Amino acid sequence: DQQVKQNSPSLSVQEGRISILNCDYTNSMFDYFLWYKKYPAEGPTFLISISSIKDKNEDGRFTVFLNKSAKHLSLHIVPSQPGDSAVYFCAASVGNFGNEKLTFGTGTRLTIIP
Amino acid sequence: NAGVMQNPRHLVRRRGQEARLRCSPMKGHSHVYWYRQLPEEGLKFMVYLQKENIIDESGMPKERFSAEFPKEGPSILRIQQVVRGDSAAYFCASSPGTNSPLHFGNGTRLTVT
Repeated sequence: DQQVKQNSPSLSVQEGRISILNCDYTNSMFDYFLWYKKYPAEGPTFLISISSIKDKNEDGRFTVFLNKSAKHLSLHIVPSQPGDSAVYFCAASVGNFGNEKLTFGTGTRLTIIP
Repeated sequence: NAGVMQNPRHLVRRRGQEARLRCSPMKGHSHVYWYRQLPEEGLKFMVYLQKENIIDESGMPKERFSAEFPKEGPSILRIQQVVRGDSAAYFCASSPGTNSPLHFGNGTRLTVT
C-alpha cells in the first residue's frame, strides 16, 4: 500500500524553465511534508518542507505547494539549473516537525537540459 | 563538521553470512533512524533509536534483523543469515530530535551473492 505516490518516474526540463514535481498521498493523518533531493551514490539531502497548516512555503528557487483537500503537493523549481538534475523524493510524516518516521514516495528523476 | 557517517560503503556477503552496518550520527544528534531502499523503490523506514533505546521498530522484519545504538559508539544494524532479498541500500539518518529534518548518510550498499 503506497501511501505517498510520485506518478512520474522521470521529468526533463530545459535549463532556465520551471520544473514542477508532483506528489499525492492517501493518509489523511499526514501533517508534515518534505522534499529530499538525491544524487547517485549519496544519501538524500533535505530540500524544503511544509506543515499542513500552510499551503505554500518558499525558499529561494524552491517553492512547495500543499492542497490538503486534494491530498496533493508539488515542488516548483524556478529557474531550473543543471545542478538540479537528481532524483527528488517526496516524504510525509504523522507528528511534529518531520523528525518522526517518514513515508517516502518512489522518486522522480529530474533531468535539466542545458 | 562531519555529517552522518556510514561504513562500509559497500558490503558483499554470501547467503547465510552476517552483515553489520555501522552509523555514526552527526555531532550532537541523539536520534538515529535506519531506512532501506530496494531497487526502483523509495526509502522504507525500518527502525528509530535513541541512545540505548529502541523507540520504534515497526518497519523491521521480525526475524534476522536487529539494531542497537549503545551509549558509546555507533549505531549498528545487524542482519543475520542474509538472503538475496536483503540486497539493498541501507541509509542511516540522524536528528537532534527537536524541530529538525533528518540528515542522511551516504548509505551502505549490501549485495548478497
